[in-house]
Amino acid sequence: QSVVTQPPSVSGSPGQRVTISCTGSSSNIGAGYDVHWYQKLPGTAPKLLIYANISRPSGVPDRFSGSKSGTSASLAITGLQAEDEADYYCQSYDRSLSVYVFGTGTKVTVL
Amino acid sequence: QVQLQESGPGLVKPSETLSLTCAVSGGSISSYYWSWIRQSPGKGLEWLGYVSYSGRTNYRPSLKSRLTISLDTSKNQFSLKLSSVTAADTAVYYCARSSQLRSLGYYFDYWGQGTLVTVSS
Repeated sequence: QSVVTQPPSVSGSPGQRVTISCTGSSSNIGAGYDVHWYQKLPGTAPKLLIYANISRPSGVPDRFSGSKSGTSASLAITGLQAEDEADYYCQSYDRSLSVYVFGTGTKVTVL
Repeated sequence: QVQLQESGPGLVKPSETLSLTCAVSGGSISSYYWSWIRQSPGKGLEWLGYVSYSGRTNYRPSLKSRLTISLDTSKNQFSLKLSSVTAADTAVYYCARSSQLRSLGYYFDYWGQGTLVTVSS
């Protein structure tokens, strides 16, 4: 089981805004380590969506945004589209475990 | 555009060694850090370890005794060897490039497509 937890699922209608939380502890997110976010479609490799808490790689729509506060981080998707239906994972570093950790993952469903 | 491609056997017998290679194109392996990540069926993503451009390694502590990641700069590729495998090592294995904006942890910006390795007799 991961030391970084996410809600198993979130859902929204097209055009709506959804947020995914990523909760860690004082040994990872709360220790100041950056949080990164990935989108994973079935049968494909994860795709980097957000790096260093708030930055978007080129080509990622600005509908995706990240934030971080304390021991948690969040990914927001505005203007939800059918193509956003996927699994989303946060990722950080845990200094107690000395490993790069991924969150438990969240399935986004577009209603 | 950097591209990564995993290759290796899809079936490994219990107690044997799992060996995978990741070929990197569109960029030199002599920069950046290079990681292996896996996803077991129905489970989340698990970082296994990385090798740096200079050959320095860092492994997941729980796998340290079984895991070796190495670099081959002449072929622009890096490799994973996991010994004494069990059914618990059955997973899709991904290779990925590791980058960092500042000294607050790496992220994985380019990934291979992944390769399924099944451990079974």
